[in-house]
Amino acid sequence: AQKITQTQPGMFVQEKEAVTLDCTYDTSDPSYGLFWYKQPSSGEMIFLIYQGSYDQQNATEGRYSLNFQKARKSANLVISASQLGDSAMYFCASPIISSGSARQLTFGSGTQLTVLP
Amino acid sequence: DADVTQTPRNRITKTGKRIMLECSQTKGHDRMYWYRQDPGLGLRLIYYSFDVKDINKGEISDGYSVSRQAQAKFSLSLESAIPNQTALYFCATSPGGLNQPQHFGDGTRLSIL
Repeated sequence: AQKITQTQPGMFVQEKEAVTLDCTYDTSDPSYGLFWYKQPSSGEMIFLIYQGSYDQQNATEGRYSLNFQKARKSANLVISASQLGDSAMYFCASPIISSGSARQLTFGSGTQLTVLP
Repeated sequence: DADVTQTPRNRITKTGKRIMLECSQTKGHDRMYWYRQDPGLGLRLIYYSFDVKDINKGEISDGYSVSRQAQAKFSLSLESAIPNQTALYFCATSPGGLNQPQHFGDGTRLSIL
């Protein structure tokens, strides 16, 4: 069963507008974290933001923020004031699946964001 | 200089060849990982290592082996490459703890003909 779900294969946003990228997860663990990574067309994976399940406030990092709704098991990434350089693939990930002796990072299938001038 | 360095960056080889992908890091992290990325599937874990004496299989370890030569070095081998191992391979490191982000190398594009 899919544990990390990103339902938007592709998204378009106008430059300077805000955009929300969806992520839902499936876990019964009481404690977990959620990560978002950005992958530009050049291929590297760039860490953007982290949210812990017990954090009282939604995480923010510059223009990135997390809309974390624990009851709905969703951790959507909000990018404010989109820039052309934000065009990339975005992955949600969480260490919610055990592999071997420990839980390991599991990734969603990604959302390709295109920022339009 | 990059904190996590992967070599080679690109490789084209033939079916049946043995291939080694190398990863070195200067971040001082104990944990190292190998992932592969296929279009539309995100990243999947191949192997991981929590220290020099610790090697663990990930989700898709069949057809791969690894060696942790030192805290800073973690190599991935394809003993007999096959075309469906064509993918983008990433090495990553982390300091430990489930709330710590992993730091990725720039990836190795591997094509097996």
